[in-house]
Amino acid sequence: DTGVSQNPRHKITKRGQNVTFRCDPISEHNRLYWYRQTLGQGPEFLTYFQNEAQLEKSRLLSDRFSAERPKGSFSTLEIQRTEQGDSAMYLCASSYSQGELAKNIQYFGAGTRLSVL
Amino acid sequence: QKEVEQDPGPLSVPEGAIVSLNCTYSNSAFQYFMWYRQYSRKGPELLMYTYSSGNKEDGRFTAQVDKSSKYISLFIRDSQPSDSATYLCAMRDLSGGYNKLIFGAGTRLAVHP
Repeated sequence: DTGVSQNPRHKITKRGQNVTFRCDPISEHNRLYWYRQTLGQGPEFLTYFQNEAQLEKSRLLSDRFSAERPKGSFSTLEIQRTEQGDSAMYLCASSYSQGELAKNIQYFGAGTRLSVL
Repeated sequence: QKEVEQDPGPLSVPEGAIVSLNCTYSNSAFQYFMWYRQYSRKGPELLMYTYSSGNKEDGRFTAQVDKSSKYISLFIRDSQPSDSATYLCAMRDLSGGYNKLIFGAGTRLAVHP
């Protein structure tokens, strides 16, 4: 088990371009989360999957953002028509749901740092 | 006003000092409390996890929760230069039935030899 893996680690793009990030959760983790973190701030929740179902989306997730988790394994986060305000660290986390909510610990990946020029 | 308030620091202490990090929150629906450590350009790493009011100890780290005051703390004893990082408090919002985490802004800690 190598932990949560995110690729790429860093993405530089021009304003208006589309970008896609990938997250591979810890194997057998059925829950997957996306967060966004800007400089000097804590991570902010974007969206959440249980298996392949996207169960919650933050209002931070505008129409330009879309996330998928086909087959309940890896997930992708796509940003269309990027804007400079999208520059941030995009973090993925995963957890395994059990009978007791207390055991749903979220483990984070190293993140993808997006720079929009 | 943010749901979770955390002093961003930076906090600079000498090696061996006791460090106290704190967060306050406003939402009574927060039931689970966590402290994550984040090194520069890395993802957050879970340090401590508590549910009830009181203290929880793990090695040099002690987490304290006071639900009546909506106040949580992390104490680091015998601080080391390797403890230099940003410390994030996080809380679980169960109001929607899921375990979305609400984070504080993080406190930057520097432990100098």
